[in-house]
Amino acid sequence: DGGITQSPKYLFRKEGQNVTLSCEQNLNHDAMYWYRQDPGQGLRLIYYSQIVNDFQKGDIAEGYSVSREKKESFPLTVTSAQKNPTAFYLCASSPRGGGSTDTQYFGPGTRLTVL
Amino acid sequence: GQNIDQPTEMTATEGAIVQINCTYQTSGFNGLFWYQQHAGEAPTFLSYNVLDGLEEKGRFSSFLSRSKGYSYLLLKELQMKDSASYLCAVRGSNTGGFKTIFGAGTRLFVKA
Repeated sequence: DGGITQSPKYLFRKEGQNVTLSCEQNLNHDAMYWYRQDPGQGLRLIYYSQIVNDFQKGDIAEGYSVSREKKESFPLTVTSAQKNPTAFYLCASSPRGGGSTDTQYFGPGTRLTVL
Repeated sequence: GQNIDQPTEMTATEGAIVQINCTYQTSGFNGLFWYQQHAGEAPTFLSYNVLDGLEEKGRFSSFLSRSKGYSYLLLKELQMKDSASYLCAVRGSNTGGFKTIFGAGTRLFVKA
């Protein structure tokens, strides 16, 4: 049963703590992405990775870090440097990361609340 | 700059037809996507247009005019379960196709 999984669905953390959000895919997709969604706004790209051991900053990378050590996994760390971390975080993957019909498919999301 | 505009909210009646418009400005174009997103859930892919014209897929159709920077999503025979947000997204070709810009979404309410 192929798909993208994110865990946990809900996450609570105290201000000043780093937290890592998990994203795993078994679709054999090359590219993976992290987005942040806030009420009334479009999805904003945090980081993306086209291939293992390579990743690029998106529009709002400050206060976040990622790694891509395995094709299947693209964890996102929200650091204490992120000023407003409470949001809905979505992970996505796509087969080729750049082809004209390269559709992104999303995981179920993690809602992070920083207290 | 790059920008996507779509209405914030729409209301329609069960069984009716609704058209959700999207206008975009991008520096390059490499495809337009429509996604459906129920509250608190992940967006799910609905359609993809890269050439002008209408793409039909069951009750959902999507239209694209590249010269006008315009697309619409047409939902026929509306059902209560169609109540959701509909996201328009455009991939810009100047970034090698790796960056997709998402609109804020149109929240559709289907009433009985």
